[in-house]
Amino acid sequence: KQEVTQIPAALSVPEGENLVLNCSFTDSAIYNLQWFRQDPGKGLTSLLLIQSSQREQTSGRLNASLDKSSGRSTLYIAASQPGDSATYLCAVDGAGANNLFFGTGTRLTVIP
Amino acid sequence: EAGVAQSPRYKIIEKRQSVAFWCNPISGHATLYWYQQILGQGPKLLIQFQNNGVVDDSQLPKDRFSAERLKGVDSTLKIQPAKLEDSAVYLCASSFSSGGHTDTQYFGPGTRLTVL
Repeated sequence: KQEVTQIPAALSVPEGENLVLNCSFTDSAIYNLQWFRQDPGKGLTSLLLIQSSQREQTSGRLNASLDKSSGRSTLYIAASQPGDSATYLCAVDGAGANNLFFGTGTRLTVIP
Repeated sequence: EAGVAQSPRYKIIEKRQSVAFWCNPISGHATLYWYQQILGQGPKLLIQFQNNGVVDDSQLPKDRFSAERLKGVDSTLKIQPAKLEDSAVYLCASSFSSGGHTDTQYFGPGTRLTVL
């Protein structure tokens, strides 16, 4: 059974700092990996989707990398802003049709 | 474009009572998902529909949970009877096509259930 782990569970950084969030998964037979953002009391918003054949994806200040063979992904956030404060979840697409397995998330706080 | 709608947003019930949640996906989205997110954990898929058929319900506790999507549009998730451990946020999501592996899922705001 696929297991997804995210480290750290919580992270506080001063505004403007670059940061990296980590995600690892136990079964490398994935189709894609996604990073989501979750704000308190709200649903999830998809940030980036990396297909298994890709190494990275970029969107604005966000860059996600995927090392499928080692079962790892990182989300890099450049020049962090207070508006980036949220919980970030990674999810891998498992054996089923678009069946996502989620990590427990990293709660990010960017201090002004 | 309107997003995924869910109601109610909050629900408090006592154990052994019944509760129902409603979801209206984005117009034209064929696939609909229900997830359970317990505090401090990531969402866990309960059931996936493609149009009005069930694709995956392997993690749905069928002795107390049921879900339907009769006309292939909106959906209801029911818990009967509820247990304390059912306290969680119930998220609905939808995707455009047949639930393919590169299909982006769009999530609703969720229903927060508290079972006392």
